[in-house]
Amino acid sequence: QVQLVQSGAEVRKPGSSVRVSCKPSDGTFTNFAVSWVRLAPGQGLEWMGGISPIFGATDYAQKFRDRLTISADTSTNTAYMDLTSLTSEDTAIYYCARERPVETAMVTLGYWGQGTLVTVSS
Amino acid sequence: DIVMTQSPLSLPVTLGEPASISCKSSQSLLHSNGENYLDWYLQRPGQSPQLLMYLGSNRAPGVPDRFSGSGSGTDFKLKISRVEAEDVGVYYCMQALQTPRTFGQGTKVEIK
Repeated sequence: QVQLVQSGAEVRKPGSSVRVSCKPSDGTFTNFAVSWVRLAPGQGLEWMGGISPIFGATDYAQKFRDRLTISADTSTNTAYMDLTSLTSEDTAIYYCARERPVETAMVTLGYWGQGTLVTVSS
Repeated sequence: DIVMTQSPLSLPVTLGEPASISCKSSQSLLHSNGENYLDWYLQRPGQSPQLLMYLGSNRAPGVPDRFSGSGSGTDFKLKISRVEAEDVGVYYCMQALQTPRTFGQGTKVEIK
């Protein structure tokens, strides 16, 4: 079972930025796309965007396009999510999730990280 | 964007009894390859979401066979043949046909 290990909880002030990291335990990083999904209080799961490390190609939900950057460092097998211009509405648990090959299929969100709580408060 | 709609949003269940969750999409999730790009996830209390079903009706490795998925096009169902205590949590459907990936609102399953 592949584990995705995320960085620890963060507290930020409104208007600031946050970076969350995600590292798979099996080292097979570049061959599988990584997505970021968040869960805000009282809300459901929300897909923010993703990256294909081997190609460096990114894809963002329109809602986050102007303040979200997803990147990958293939030398350290780590993916990053940078979110800027934070407001209280960005208080949420942020998850990374990786593609998973199952039988002949490739499941987009097959393995999940443990989640990182980001709290935005003045 | 594809809109996903689940019902019910809350589902009190009796241990040992069956349960069913509906998921409807605003566009067909049937790909030209014949697969329906619809996945189901369970988020147990205090845990990360986990994959339950993929491509509509395929159980993920390790998922008990009391779980089954059905449907095609725009209408899908997740069924639990006999609910067990460990099945408590929030169930989400998600379309994997196109980006942005979109989820249903979630169905909270709890024991009566």
